[in-house]
Amino acid sequence: DSGVTQTPKHLITATGQRVTLRCSPRSGDLSVYWYQQSLDQGLQFLIQYYNGEERAKGNILERFSAQQFPDLHSELNLSSLELGDSALYFCASSVESRRTDTQYFGPGTRLTVL
Amino acid sequence: LAKTTQPISMDSYEGQEVNITCSHNNIATNDYITWYQQFPSQGPRFIIQGYKTKVTNEVASLFIPADRKSSTLSLPRVSLSDTAVYYCLVGRPDESNYQLIWGAGTKLIIKP
Repeated sequence: DSGVTQTPKHLITATGQRVTLRCSPRSGDLSVYWYQQSLDQGLQFLIQYYNGEERAKGNILERFSAQQFPDLHSELNLSSLELGDSALYFCASSVESRRTDTQYFGPGTRLTVL
Repeated sequence: LAKTTQPISMDSYEGQEVNITCSHNNIATNDYITWYQQFPSQGPRFIIQGYKTKVTNEVASLFIPADRKSSTLSLPRVSLSDTAVYYCLVGRPDESNYQLIWGAGTKLIIKP
């Protein structure tokens, strides 16, 4: 158990819909990262928050957005969903945001868009 | 950004020692090498990190030669539960974690 929690575990929805994925980082971690992993693909970095502020953006679509709340939990919002958005979405957290800081990953949310 | 090259897949048998090599020819002076393990449908998990020579923990050893252009993750006496994808990552403390490049990793299959 990494200490990072993600809900829901599974999500099935239809094209055009909007969903929200939730992540709670490990206690004391200030950075939260969101990743997308499609079937048999590597991890694609989406976005990072550090202590409530957006720190970096990766390959995140305009239909996707995220935020980190004062209690440091984070939500990833996916809208106008398409079939290609079906993937595993991981949240990770680290104490700071240095490249050498260990990232602790949550169990992921499996999103299926039908 | 230092690019890494790993074998796409490897097979081994229970009880064997497995060595997975990662090439990082363009590694910078301050870069560290980090390995993660990912089981199917789970998030990656940190295994080990090193800068030079040898690092050992309860799970694995990491060997880094003097020129640091490659590194080898060594898993002693593997079991079926070590079947996973292993990622080699390179980066330095003054860069942000989000800049880590996660390639396809090495898919390790352990057979009985």
